Amino acid sequence: EAQVTQNPRYLITVTGKKLTVTCSQNMNHEYMSWYRQDPGLGLRQIYYSMNVEVTDKGDVPEGYKVSRKEKRNFPLILESPSPNQTSLYFCASSFAGSENTIYFGEGSWLTVV
Amino acid sequence: QKEVEQDPGPLSVPEGAIVSLNCTYSNSAFQYFMWYRQYSRKGPELLMYTYSSGNKEDGRFTAQVDKSSKYISLFIRDSQPSDSATYLCATPRGAQKLVFGQGTRLTINP
Repeated sequence: EAQVTQNPRYLITVTGKKLTVTCSQNMNHEYMSWYRQDPGLGLRQIYYSMNVEVTDKGDVPEGYKVSRKEKRNFPLILESPSPNQTSLYFCASSFAGSENTIYFGEGSWLTVV
Repeated sequence: QKEVEQDPGPLSVPEGAIVSLNCTYSNSAFQYFMWYRQYSRKGPELLMYTYSSGNKEDGRFTAQVDKSSKYISLFIRDSQPSDSATYLCATPRGAQKLVFGQGTRLTINP
């Protein structure tokens, strides 16, 4: 089954404690990206990757890092989380040039206290 | 001005009603438009995809694009309680960059 898998799905953490949200896809997609979803703001792109070792900033990259060492994985790293990073996070993937068939993961609810 | 604007609702209608969901966009260069459906605590799933002006129909769903007025619509006929979800319009901006509207939360009442 085609899947984008994120972990953890739910997390409460404290300010400043580094955390990583993992994302894995089994569709051999080149493109992967991270979005955050906030009330009234919709989904906004944080970072994206067009292939292994190729990453770039989206619209709201501050406070986040990513890496793409393997094609299937695209972890999102919060080095020093702050309360304004409390949000719902989605990983997404697609084949190159297929913006109309982007698959999203189920989401990761992150609360920073 | 946001690139894609969408009334967040909430919108509540009785079962069987025709639902109209709308978005406006600011950049006339946008060419592709999508509608995503997002159930509670789930990721968005692609519902409809359209290119250029006109209508596209898929079962009970019709997507409409009016490029002259920069207006995107999604119509749901014979709405069902299972259609209750948040509906998001989106358009690509660059490589795998989707610009989303805020989403409209829709409830279909039995």
